[in-house]
Amino acid sequence: GAVVSQHPSWVICKSGTSVKIECRSLDFQATTMFWYRQFPKQSLMLMATSNEGSKATYEQGVEKDKFLINHASLTLSTLTVTSAHPEDSSFYICSASPNMNTEAFFGQGTRLTVV
Amino acid sequence: AQRVTQPEKLLSVFKGAPVELKCNYSYSGSPELFWYVQYSRQRLQLLLRHISRESIKGFTADLNKGETSFHLKKPFAQEEDSAMYYCALSGPGTGRRALTFGSGTRLQVQP
Repeated sequence: GAVVSQHPSWVICKSGTSVKIECRSLDFQATTMFWYRQFPKQSLMLMATSNEGSKATYEQGVEKDKFLINHASLTLSTLTVTSAHPEDSSFYICSASPNMNTEAFFGQGTRLTVV
Repeated sequence: AQRVTQPEKLLSVFKGAPVELKCNYSYSGSPELFWYVQYSRQRLQLLLRHISRESIKGFTADLNKGETSFHLKKPFAQEEDSAMYYCALSGPGTGRRALTFGSGTRLQVQP
């Protein structure tokens, strides 16, 4: 099956700093990628849809200036958490599909801890 | 609004017992339904997709449009089935649409 890889797998940063998370489709191109957030013992909640070559679409309640998404190529989307605060600590997961009719493949997730 | 409901947070069964993980959904239109599984320390992976009508690792799930359900079943549970199971939904053209997830059910299969 298709492979989606996230980097880093975990990161610890200080409050007020920014951290970038990468999501790559390794063996296929993806015009659309999705970013989810998962709190402990909770389900995945969609944060935003990343569109190659255009602006991301954010879900209601997600601050676009805080969670910057860049989808500069057909195999890479990045999520930058700006001015991170402890409440931003969470598990961030991306997904992508090779084509319109193929199911989503997920990255391994990135655990962000803001101290 | 679309929604997926998994009423059980935890389901504990003994090895060899039948398993049914419940999933109900609400969606105006024709959704695509999925079951994803997350084993300990592994990424989320697809288990079943309703349009495929397959049996994977002994699991089956039938879409019941009348009851808006997509329950996951297995006649004889194995210890290696212990994992977190998520029911998810998307609109048509799933590759271009985000998934709406249920809250998940943790399946524990005891020896």
